[in-house]
Amino acid sequence: AQTVTQSQPEMSVQDAETVTLSCTYDTSENNYYLFWYKQPPSRQMILVIRQEAYKQQNATENRFSVNFQKAAKSFSLKISDSQLGDTAMYFCAFMKYRDDKIIFGKGTRLHILP
Amino acid sequence: NAGVTQTPKFQVLKTGQSMTLQCAQDMNHNSMYWYRQDPGMGLRLIYYSASEGTTDKGEVPNGYNVSRLNKREFSLRLESAAPSQTSVYFCASSERQGPNTEAFFGQGTRLTVV
Repeated sequence: AQTVTQSQPEMSVQDAETVTLSCTYDTSENNYYLFWYKQPPSRQMILVIRQEAYKQQNATENRFSVNFQKAAKSFSLKISDSQLGDTAMYFCAFMKYRDDKIIFGKGTRLHILP
Repeated sequence: NAGVTQTPKFQVLKTGQSMTLQCAQDMNHNSMYWYRQDPGMGLRLIYYSASEGTTDKGEVPNGYNVSRLNKREFSLRLESAAPSQTSVYFCASSERQGPNTEAFFGQGTRLTVV
């Protein structure tokens, strides 16, 4: 069974700084999707970034980028120039090809300090 | 565009009572999910449905039943609520595969069992 591990329960950084959230996963599959979701205090789940395992290039969305290391089964999220609005819970998630289950990690609570 | 709609948003039940959480999506997605979110535990998959007429157990199915009524609707039923089922419940839907695959979430239901 696939598992997703987020080893940082909580982090705090000053605004405008860069922060990296860690995620590792365990799978025997070769093809899969990885996601980072953001959950602000409103409780709404918002997709931040998506990575397909067959793509070697790391995904980037504005200030958000990932470091995808397939051999190491690592998928970290880097937030550049962090803003107060980035304060949220961040979840890493995994879905394998031709399957429908999406498995989430336990989350990292990120505080951006003024 | 409504996306994924869950009802109710809040509910208090007494131990032993039953209730059904309703979920509907208007994006014509094949896959639908029910998750529960507890502090320190992340999102755990209860049940999912790959298509109309099919359902599968997730990580924590005990104490729950589901029905995929049609392509739009996926309900979660608690037959005899227990305090351990106090949680925030999320419904989600996704298109199964593709370069833009992602799960879309409802706004959540906060359930308290006393």
